[in-house]
Amino acid sequence: QVQLQESGPGLVKPSETLSLTCAVSGYSISSGYYWGWIRQPPGKGLEWIGSIFYSGSTYYSASLKSRVTISLDKSKNQFSLKLTSVTAADTAVYYCARRSGSYPFNYWGQGTLVTVSS
Amino acid sequence: EIVLTQSPGTLSLSPGERATLSCRASQSVSSGYLAWYQQQTPGQAPRLLIYGASSRATGIPDRFSGSGSGTDFTLTISRLEPEDFAVYYCQHYGSSLTFGGGTKVEIK
Repeated sequence: QVQLQESGPGLVKPSETLSLTCAVSGYSISSGYYWGWIRQPPGKGLEWIGSIFYSGSTYYSASLKSRVTISLDKSKNQFSLKLTSVTAADTAVYYCARRSGSYPFNYWGQGTLVTVSS
Repeated sequence: EIVLTQSPGTLSLSPGERATLSCRASQSVSSGYLAWYQQQTPGQAPRLLIYGASSRATGIPDRFSGSGSGTDFTLTISRLEPEDFAVYYCQHYGSSLTFGGGTKVEIK
């Protein structure tokens, strides 16, 4: 059974970099699929941040592209999100998830709340 | 980038009633790459209900059905069960992905 688990600081200061990791179990991220990040600000809807293909190709939301980097760590079977120059607007629950090219996200992590505050 | 607009924002219905949710795209959705998710509570991971506009995901009851093509899509819940009162999101999943703003189905 594929499982994803987000981890990282729950509190980040404004202007700093938000860094999260998604540990994957039950499947090798080197073998296939797209691995993505989605976020949900408190009381609001879902927003796709970006995805990375198992080969390393990346795809980012146009609105966040200038601040986002997603990378794979195949040795640890995990992938990561970095979001630079954060503001209070980046406060959200961050989810990691898996999809195929012709299939939407069907495996999700439980989500982790990141608050941006001084 | 495809923009998805969901309506209504809130749907107030009673258990046993039929729910019809709409998702309209700003341009045609290629290959029917349109999905529907259910989110029971904010902060809980969404659950995939429908993919390819009309195919039910594994384990999804047949009271959930999806239809549509091009720019207009619909999620129908034939008879609402207590656990169906939740927020529903549509999603386009091409090389770029977008979510609709959501429809809340609440108990009347």
